[in-house]
Amino acid sequence: NAGVMQNPRHLVRRRGQEARLRCSPMKGHSHVYWYRQLPEEGLKFMVYLQKENIIDESGMPKERFSAEFPKEGPSILRIQQVVRGDSAAYFCASSPRRGHEQYFGPGTRLTVT
Amino acid sequence: GQQLNQSPQSMFIQEGEDVSMNCTSSSIFNTWLWYKQDPGEGPVLLIALYKAGELTSNGRLTAQFGITRKDSFLNISASIPSDVGIYFCAGLTNFGNEKLTFGTGTRLTIIP
Repeated sequence: NAGVMQNPRHLVRRRGQEARLRCSPMKGHSHVYWYRQLPEEGLKFMVYLQKENIIDESGMPKERFSAEFPKEGPSILRIQQVVRGDSAAYFCASSPRRGHEQYFGPGTRLTVT
Repeated sequence: GQQLNQSPQSMFIQEGEDVSMNCTSSSIFNTWLWYKQDPGEGPVLLIALYKAGELTSNGRLTAQFGITRKDSFLNISASIPSDVGIYFCAGLTNFGNEKLTFGTGTRLTIIP
């Protein structure tokens, strides 16, 4: 049973470019969460999605960041016009239902040069 | 916002020793989760706790959900080299709020 898949594992972007991070949840999981982790820190919540719906985006910056979880295909976290401060590890998690434990993917490490 | 304070921040122990770490919060959580993260990897779920007072084991790991709902503890018995890593607690309120709040982490190092 495959776990949460994320790609790419590493992504390098120049300032001003766009970054697209993909997440495929575990089979049977319809709840997806995105978190950001800076070095030596814990993970910080960004957004919670169910299929085709954003349920909670209270942790996501209002500008340049967006997320989607379409009916078909992976969840996408999109960062437009990246800046150096966006450099971090971005983790996706999934769960089978609300209030259940969340299982994490291996993360995408974004470096903005 | 909610904050979880984890202690100790780091631990240096010898192989075979037992380990204890804890997590405290200023507010109540209804679910406590403990994760381990290796360098360059995502957090791996170790134990999930759903009821106040609950004591749950997973092999050499034992975790407890504090009675006040504001704290949790993780113990590792007879540590082995593969226990090295960063341990995070995480809390979930479940009141229509699905975001995990993570602790600051405890870095475990085993001295040869």
